[in-house]
Amino acid sequence: GENVEQHPSTLSVQEGDSAVIKCTYSDSASNYFPWYKQELGKRPQLIIDIRSNVGEKKDQRIAVTLNKTAKHFSLHITETQPEDSAVYFCAATFSGNTPLVFGKGTRLSVIA
Amino acid sequence: NAGVTQTPKFQVLKTGQSMTLQCAQDMNHEYMSWYRQDPGMGLRLIHYSVGAGITDQGEVPNGYNVSRSTTEDFPLRLLSAAPSQTSVYFCASSPDRVSLGYTFGSGTRLTVV
Repeated sequence: GENVEQHPSTLSVQEGDSAVIKCTYSDSASNYFPWYKQELGKRPQLIIDIRSNVGEKKDQRIAVTLNKTAKHFSLHITETQPEDSAVYFCAATFSGNTPLVFGKGTRLSVIA
Repeated sequence: NAGVTQTPKFQVLKTGQSMTLQCAQDMNHEYMSWYRQDPGMGLRLIHYSVGAGITDQGEVPNGYNVSRSTTEDFPLRLLSAAPSQTSVYFCASSPDRVSLGYTFGSGTRLTVV
């Protein structure tokens, strides 16, 4: 079935270190992989996305990599800051009309 | 341009009561979806719509109904509220299935007692 696995569920890093969150998906036909950030009590907001014809995409301190053969994609945050503390969700599209399927989220804590 | 507007922001229901969560968008988006968010469970799809007059079920549709009579509105109806429906509900919209990602509403925190 349609499934997105996300790891780890919690992640603590020291300020300035890097954080990596990984997701795997079940459908080789998936072609769109967004990442959302959700701060406490707020709505999820899109921070970066990647399509299946691209292997890597960067936006300042954030990057996403995609390995279609292995069916996994990762979020990389460099030089972490306290304001990066939030829950991060990966998502993927699957065949048909089904909307985005989300992973269960990663709670990132950046310790000053 | 208000984006995606959800009402109410908070609601307490008694078991067995019914209610409608409202969702409206002013971006002329075709795709609209309802998700529920529970601790440790991520965002689970309840129902979705690919355009006016077209709806379909998601992963957790039981106990909920939807309709899409206009492009702008996508209400979610709880038929007979149960404590298991205590959750945060998010409505989301997008121009199509994959173009620009989703815009989420601010959410409705529902408690069923």
